[in-house]
Amino acid sequence: DIQMTQSPSSLSASIGERVTITCRASQTIGSYLSWYQEKPGKAPKLLIYAASTLQTGVPSRFSGSGSGPDFTLTISSLQPEDFATYYCQQSYTTPYTFGQGTKLEMK
Amino acid sequence: QVLLQESGPGLEKPSETLSLTCTVSGGSINSYYWSWFRRAPGKGLEWIGCIFYSGSTNYNPSLRSRVTISVDTSKEQLSLMLSAVTSADTAVYYCARGPLTTGYWYNTFDIWGQGTTVTVSS
Repeated sequence: DIQMTQSPSSLSASIGERVTITCRASQTIGSYLSWYQEKPGKAPKLLIYAASTLQTGVPSRFSGSGSGPDFTLTISSLQPEDFATYYCQQSYTTPYTFGQGTKLEMK
Repeated sequence: QVLLQESGPGLEKPSETLSLTCTVSGGSINSYYWSWFRRAPGKGLEWIGCIFYSGSTNYNPSLRSRVTISVDTSKEQLSLMLSAVTSADTAVYYCARGPLTTGYWYNTFDIWGQGTTVTVSS
């Protein structure tokens, strides 16, 4: 299975701050990388697919970059509704696998 | 707006078969793949398997011997059956649309249900 390593596992930040989360795959996965946001009791929300394509309706402060094994999710200016847990996921090959998550908390 | 809703018993006894249903509303089950995921307490998300609307399936090898995913297009529902459950199967179970294999979707999962909690305990 492809292992996805996300860092950091938790992050404290303030409103308006720029935040970056990284994800590394154990082998090359091209651009088969998605980012999801999850809040307690709510459905996971697709933010970014194909490594850098913003899902319809997702604010432009979210962006994704990278290819091959290394990827990043950036939130350019944190808003109150952005405090959540974020996951990367590879869809290059089955079984599809996820990073362990990054919990973004308010400082 | 397509919505997914998981349903099923919240409690299962060890060695029994877990059975969950995901109902698709606001859209059609046709022409898509549909998947099941789970997250056990303190663990990451795990892909269980997927099914195309026509019925072809692909399962995670770690669960393949115990999993059956099926689809009922007339009811706009997909189902998950997991046999011989143990406490290790205690988790929140999610259904999702995908993998999206056409165009530039790169096999992503675009719509998810809120999840349903299943506890395995005697």
